[in-house]
Amino acid sequence: EIVMTQSPATLSVSPGERATLSCRASQSVGSSLAWFQQKPGQAPRLLIFGAFTRATGIPPRFSATGSGTEFTLTISSLQSEDSAVYYCQRYDNWPPWTFGPGTKVEIK
Amino acid sequence: EVQLVESGGDLVQPGRSLRLSCTGSGFTFEDFAMHWVRQVPGEGLEWVAAISATGGSRGYADSVRGRFTIFRDNAKNSLYMQMKGLRVEDTAFYYCVKVAGADYYNNYFDQWGQGTLVTVSS
Repeated sequence: EIVMTQSPATLSVSPGERATLSCRASQSVGSSLAWFQQKPGQAPRLLIFGAFTRATGIPPRFSATGSGTEFTLTISSLQSEDSAVYYCQRYDNWPPWTFGPGTKVEIK
Repeated sequence: EVQLVESGGDLVQPGRSLRLSCTGSGFTFEDFAMHWVRQVPGEGLEWVAAISATGGSRGYADSVRGRFTIFRDNAKNSLYMQMKGLRVEDTAFYYCVKVAGADYYNNYFDQWGQGTLVTVSS
């Protein structure tokens, strides 16, 4: 089973600053990597698919890079509404389609 | 607008059964594979089960295989999960999730329902 890890567990960033979140897969997942945002009391929302493609309606301050085993999500200028937990997930050909443990982004 | 609405969550005793439902609207339900994903309150996300657009192919997490059954009725735009032999550790929010294509392999999870809470406790 491919294991997904994320770092850091918690990130505290001032408004307007950059937030950089990392995700690592124990084996290559190619570009079959998605990022989700989950706010308290809400369902996860798709931010990024295909490792770097923004989903519909996602603002351009969210960007992502990576392939294989190393991936990064960047929030270029953090807004108060970006406070949430961010999960990465592999969705390639082999179940189970595992999620990372999440990074909690807090506003300083 | 795509909408997924889950129902059926409840408080049940260990060993009992429960059926979850999810109704989709705003898209052609029969064209898309679907998943169930669960989340223990305050914890991370766990994939549970998947079904192809036609219902002909299904997959399960090891933790639920043999106890849970995913199925769908495309005429009713509905996804289901029959849960048997429930355990305390099955307590979680259960989300119905649509993917971006007909097959659940290599298709990203693009729309999520709001979830339904299953609590297993004596």
